[in-house]
Amino acid sequence: GQSLEQPSEVTAVEGAIVQINCTYQTSGFYGLSWYQQHDGGAPTFLSYNALDGLEETGRFSSFLSRSDSYGYLLLQELQMKDSASYFCAVRSAEAARQLTFGSGTQLTVLP
Amino acid sequence: DAEITQSPRHKITETGRQVTLACHQTWNHNNMFWYRQDLGHGLRLIHYSYGVQDTNKGEVSDGYSVSRSNTEDLPLTLESAASSQTSVYFCASSWDLNTEAFFGQGTRLTVV
Repeated sequence: GQSLEQPSEVTAVEGAIVQINCTYQTSGFYGLSWYQQHDGGAPTFLSYNALDGLEETGRFSSFLSRSDSYGYLLLQELQMKDSASYFCAVRSAEAARQLTFGSGTQLTVLP
Repeated sequence: DAEITQSPRHKITETGRQVTLACHQTWNHNNMFWYRQDLGHGLRLIHYSYGVQDTNKGEVSDGYSVSRSNTEDLPLTLESAASSQTSVYFCASSWDLNTEAFFGQGTRLTVV
């Protein structure tokens, strides 16, 4: 069966850099996505990695290593508005190409 | 602007009642999805559809059904609501499976 693991909570200060790791187990892996969700809000898409390497989008970057079944989301120059939950999600043949989400990481940014 | 909307945003219902949650998107996406979100479980897929007249079961489909009679709508029906179905429900849509999914604002359902 599939599994995804990510830390439940991360705390950092404004202006810092934080990395949220995600390890997964699945068969027929297609790609790894990251979503952000503020309290009471809808999940919003951040990134998608299908190939190994780093993808950069502004202050956010996402990394994937298919051989290690591992990825991370890197948030730079943290701002208070980055306080939210962050979910990794794998797309795999095992789940009929649908997204399977991790349990989420609650990021708290302190002033 | 194109969007995805869910209704109602909040609902309280009694055990055993049939409940339908609405989802409407104006992007003309073929792919639509229903998820539930509970503390400690992230988002779990209930049902999904690749187009009109197509529906598929997800990870937690028991007790739920969907129908797709047009591109814009994918209503989710709880045939006989149970307390275990108290949750926040999110609808989503996408152009294809390798692009981002757009989520609605969610429906908070309480079954008493």
